[in-house]
Amino acid sequence: SQQGEEDPQALSIQEGENATMNCSYKTSINNLQWYRQNSGRGLVHLILIRSNEREKHSGRLRVTLDTSKKSSSLLITASRAADTASYFCATDVNDYKLSFGAGTTVTVRA
Amino acid sequence: GAGVSQSPSNKVTEKGKDVELRCDPISGHTALYWYRQSLGQGLEFLIYFQGNSAPDKSGLPSDRFSAERTGGSVSTLTIQRTQQEDSAVYLCASSGDAEKLFFGSGTQLSVL
Repeated sequence: SQQGEEDPQALSIQEGENATMNCSYKTSINNLQWYRQNSGRGLVHLILIRSNEREKHSGRLRVTLDTSKKSSSLLITASRAADTASYFCATDVNDYKLSFGAGTTVTVRA
Repeated sequence: GAGVSQSPSNKVTEKGKDVELRCDPISGHTALYWYRQSLGQGLEFLIYFQGNSAPDKSGLPSDRFSAERTGGSVSTLTIQRTQQEDSAVYLCASSGDAEKLFFGSGTQLSVL
């Protein structure tokens, strides 16, 4: 069964706008990761945030983690057409297994 | 190699046939995973290999599915007597630290 659930399922924005998506999970975690999947390809790791961290940045990406609410958000600033993809959160089920949500599909319109 | 390599990229087979999917992990990565992704869905864990330890097969959906990893490197996922519900993208990933996963481009399996 899936541990993480992303919201919204789909998001359409204009180039230059920010995109925010959320992930909620059920059980305690050691870390949470975000991955991107371009159509027809494998997933690419974007960022990992540990349970004792509240916020992390990587380029135009900002991830927050609220362990009390069991939720995380991914913000993509100044979106580009190349950001069009599906985004998945993944939580650690144990010390090696990740559970992925169903993903948020982001479309960036030119 | 530079990344995780999977072959074939596409496989069309008839119901009842056996198929073999191959994964070449990143050199030096001891952890190897197989996941399955059905259309529009998240990833479903299938199996995990770590070095010489016994694999975690808890995600294999039926005894028609099996996987092996030879010499701690290349892995093969075998599906016997394929069914239409086996149609999906099969993704392989490897990891050097069992945290951050590096994925291959997947094998799109279509069972007619």
